[in-house]
Amino acid sequence: DAGVIQSPRHEVTEMGQEVTLRCKPISGHNSLFWYRQTMMRGLELLIYFNNNVPIDDSGMPEDRFSAKMPNASFSTLKIQPSEPRDSAVYFCASSPSWGARGYTFGSGTRLTVV
Amino acid sequence: SQELEQSPQSLIVQEGKNLTINCTSSKTLYGLYWYKQKYGEGLIFLMMLQKGGEEKSHEKITAKLDEKKQQSSLHITASQPSHAGIYLCGAAGGQGRDDKIIFGKGTRLHILP
Repeated sequence: DAGVIQSPRHEVTEMGQEVTLRCKPISGHNSLFWYRQTMMRGLELLIYFNNNVPIDDSGMPEDRFSAKMPNASFSTLKIQPSEPRDSAVYFCASSPSWGARGYTFGSGTRLTVV
Repeated sequence: SQELEQSPQSLIVQEGKNLTINCTSSKTLYGLYWYKQKYGEGLIFLMMLQKGGEEKSHEKITAKLDEKKQQSSLHITASQPSHAGIYLCGAAGGQGRDDKIIFGKGTRLHILP
């Protein structure tokens, strides 16, 4: 199993540009989570999906952030327009079922907005 | 909403020494997770505790959930350079109805050779 795959690993973009982060969960996992990690705020849950349906997006900071899961094997997190304060490491994680014990995390995307 | 407080925020110990990291919750814990993150990498699942008084071990790392289920401790015996990283505790939603895990801010552990 290849694990949770995120791309790109690193992204540097200019303020105002659109940024799209991608995630491929582990095959057969029904739940998918997007987190953001910064030194100041730690690891924050942005949004999560169950069976491709968004369940809770209360952690999405602003309307500039949007996430989709068009099928069971792919999800995107989009920021438009990006701002310097969006600079962080974004993690995707998946788990096999509702209430499963523990997630498998991807390696993250380090986003720098200049 | 539930909040997790980890202490200490950072820790520097000599190789071979024992250490303890604490995680305190503002609410009853229905599931407590411990993860380790190597610098610049993703999180690796260590163990999960559910029952009050439960204790689990993974190699030289032992974690315990107190009887009241509001505090957990993670203990490393005879620390090694490979133990260096960020340790995060996470709390599951209440009574198994909520799949999301909320994390503490982490404890940064450095091991001196």
